[in-house]
Amino acid sequence: EVQLVESGGGLVQPGSPLKLSCAASGFTFSSNWLNWIRQAPGKGLEWVASINPDGSSTYYPDTVKGRFVVSKDNAKNTGYLQMNNLRSEDTAMYYCATTSPPLYWGQGVMVTVSS
Amino acid sequence: DIQMTQSPPSLSASLGDKVTITCQTSQNINKYIAWYQQKPGKAPRLLIGFTSRLVSGIPSRFSGSGSGRDYSFSISNVESEDIASYYCLQYDNSPRTFGGGTKLELK
Repeated sequence: EVQLVESGGGLVQPGSPLKLSCAASGFTFSSNWLNWIRQAPGKGLEWVASINPDGSSTYYPDTVKGRFVVSKDNAKNTGYLQMNNLRSEDTAMYYCATTSPPLYWGQGVMVTVSS
Repeated sequence: DIQMTQSPPSLSASLGDKVTITCQTSQNINKYIAWYQQKPGKAPRLLIGFTSRLVSGIPSRFSGSGSGRDYSFSISNVESEDIASYYCLQYDNSPRTFGGGTKLELK
């Protein structure tokens, strides 16, 4: 059974960093894209980061480019989202998801940016 | 980045109705569009990929069509379990982009 489990969320102050993790099991992690998608409270879905199977290419929308860094450790079957200089508008539920288009999703982890 | 214009933002339907949601993209996405269903407090669920390919286990009352920049998603014979929000996603170009979503409610 495919499982994705996010962790690392919480309440942080504006300008702070935070690193999310996504532990994967039940499929060949090294052969699949890893994606991060977020959803602000009461809002729609927003794609925030993608990394290709071997980790050599990453993609971000302008809203997070330069602040967020996606990575994956294929040996540990774990993906990461390093978020720097967090803003109040980054407050959201963050999901990791895999395959293209994403078929498998984690349960999500909440990130709240507030002073 | 490719822009996705999804409409309508909300939809009211009776049980048994057919409903249709559209997504227009800012450039040709070569049929690389997917459709998701999301219920409150849950992660999105992939229903359709590559415009019209139904994911295994998804009921046949869900369907998709389109090409170029114009795509549509339909639910025939709406059932109570279909009450949810629906999103389109283009995965032709990076970064991927979602439509704004459509909230389906019961009339």
